[in-house]
Amino acid sequence: QITLKESGPTVVKPTQTLTLTCTLSGVSLSTSGVGVGWIRQPPVKALEWLAVIYWDDDKNYSPSLESRLTITKDTSKNQVVLTMTNMDPMDTATYYCALRRVPHPFDYWGQGTLVTVSS
Amino acid sequence: DIQMTQSPSSLSASVGDRVTITCRASRDISRYLNWFQQKPGEAPKLLIYTASNLQTGVPSRFSGSGSGTDFTLTVSSLQPEDFATYYCQQSYSTLWTFGQGTKVEIK
Repeated sequence: QITLKESGPTVVKPTQTLTLTCTLSGVSLSTSGVGVGWIRQPPVKALEWLAVIYWDDDKNYSPSLESRLTITKDTSKNQVVLTMTNMDPMDTATYYCALRRVPHPFDYWGQGTLVTVSS
Repeated sequence: DIQMTQSPSSLSASVGDRVTITCRASRDISRYLNWFQQKPGEAPKLLIYTASNLQTGVPSRFSGSGSGTDFTLTVSSLQPEDFATYYCQQSYSTLWTFGQGTKVEIK
């Protein structure tokens, strides 16, 4: 059974750096074709794709946020970490991690974690 | 970026209705178009991938079609559990983008 779980702070202050961790079980990050992405959703708004990292360490970022994002993986812990710098109240959202197995799109999702940016 | 535009942004329908949602890409994305369903408080769920392939476990009343820039998601007979928000997403580019969503509400 494949599961993903997001963890990280629920509140961050403006200008701080957000660090979120996605822990996978039931699938290995080192398996060929595996990719893990991050998607966010502000309250009552649409989904926004942020970044993805693949088993071979290939990475892609949303152009509008690329300067603020870093995605990395720890294969030994089966975790993917997303950092976002210079947080702003507009970054308040539920952050999801999701799994894809090439060539399929994201077919497994975590439950999401709500991050509020407030002083 | 490839922009994805869905229409309508919301619709009201009754149980048993046939419902169609459209998604238009700002440029040719071949058939690299996926559809997700999201219910309040839940993560999105993949319904259809590469335009017309039904994800395992998804009821056959859901279907997808299209290629190039124009795509549709059809629910042949709307069920109570289908009231949700639906998103299209392109995976043609390495920089993935979602549509703005279509909320299907009970009439």
